[in-house]
Amino acid sequence: AQKVTQAQTEISVVEKEDVTLDCVYETRDTTYYLFWYKQPPSGELVFLIRRNSFDEQNEISGRYSWNFQKSTSSFNFTITASQVVDSAVYFCALSEAPGANSKLTFGKGITLSVRP
Amino acid sequence: KAGVTQTPRYLIKTRGQQVTLSCSPISGHRSVSWYQQTPGQGLQFLFEYFSETQRNKGNFPGRFSGRQFSNSRSEMNVSTLELGDSALYLCASSPYLGEKLFFGSGTQLSVL
Repeated sequence: AQKVTQAQTEISVVEKEDVTLDCVYETRDTTYYLFWYKQPPSGELVFLIRRNSFDEQNEISGRYSWNFQKSTSSFNFTITASQVVDSAVYFCALSEAPGANSKLTFGKGITLSVRP
Repeated sequence: KAGVTQTPRYLIKTRGQQVTLSCSPISGHRSVSWYQQTPGQGLQFLFEYFSETQRNKGNFPGRFSGRQFSNSRSEMNVSTLELGDSALYLCASSPYLGEKLFFGSGTQLSVL
């Protein structure tokens, strides 16, 4: 069975600090996708990134970067120079059988508060 | 392009009643998924539809059902509501199965 663990539940930082959100996953599949979604107070989940299990290259998008390590089954997310607008709940998710269905297994989420 | 639209935004029902939630996917998207979000259980997969057929179902009782219409719009129904059904119900759409999901803002259901 698949499982996604986000051990951190709440993180509070001061604006401009760097912050890393941890994600550890479990799956028996060799082919899978990993995701990060952001949920602002409005409620909708905003897609941030999708990573294929065969692609371990780290990715950077502006202030956001992701570190995927299959050896430790981790897919961590770093926000550099955090801003107040980054305050939200962040979810890591896992999808097995890509192409067959879109079912996501989510972690419990991390509430990030960025203080001015 | 308009995003995923869910109606209504808020709903209050009493135990034993039934409820129908509606979801209009992004134009051109053929797959619609539903998720339940609660503080205790987090985000849990309910079901997924593609081309009017249910393709995948989560571990929820038979009181939870859904359907998809020929225009890809979807509805989910919960019968004999229980207090524990109070949750944010999120709908997501994607062009095809296995693609990344685009979520709506959800319907907040409160069961009294």
